[in-house]
Amino acid sequence: KAGVTQTPRYLIKTRGQQVTLSCSPISGHRSVSWYQQTPGQGLQFLFEYFSETQRNKGNFPGRFSGRQFSNSRSEMNVSTLELGDSALYLCASTYREGEYEQYFGPGTRLTVT
Amino acid sequence: KNQVEQSPQSLIILEGKNCTLQCNYTVSPFSNLRWYKQDTGRGPVSLTIMTFSENTKSNGRYTATLDADTKQSSLHITASQLSDSASYICVVSAGGGNKLTFGTGTQLKVEL
Repeated sequence: KAGVTQTPRYLIKTRGQQVTLSCSPISGHRSVSWYQQTPGQGLQFLFEYFSETQRNKGNFPGRFSGRQFSNSRSEMNVSTLELGDSALYLCASTYREGEYEQYFGPGTRLTVT
Repeated sequence: KNQVEQSPQSLIILEGKNCTLQCNYTVSPFSNLRWYKQDTGRGPVSLTIMTFSENTKSNGRYTATLDADTKQSSLHITASQLSDSASYICVVSAGGGNKLTFGTGTQLKVEL
């Protein structure tokens, strides 16, 4: 069974631009969570989606948004990029909402210049 | 405020030696505690998941312990290998769902 895939793997943007990242969960998984990882803050929870609905949200500004499609694929969008948004963005999928065993993708490395 | 603290921040050991990583948490209400291994440039991979009633869980050469009274966990790695070089992250879940609090990780390097 294929793992969680994320595209693109690497991305360079300039301040003020917006970016969209994509995550395809493991086949059959219906819950997708997004995380931001930086050297200083470690991993931080962004949001969780299940059945196209946002179930939980972390403490990030409204510039960070996401959505989930009927096939469980998810996208996250960051508008008006800031230098501090440079990070590794990880998504993780589970079969059902709240399940303990999460499977992470390889991440998208975003660099904002 | 929910917090997870890990120690040491980094560790260098010789191949074949054992080591123990520590995790202290203040998370309420406690649901479960997870240890992840993250190789450079890769996503985290789950090693163990322990709920309140479990105090030891093993996964090959990795053994995690949990003391829910003192709110401490440890990850013991036996007979370390070069491939164990990675960041080890302690994660605690509060309540239901995936409301997770992450530690900042212990960077382990195994040398010849």
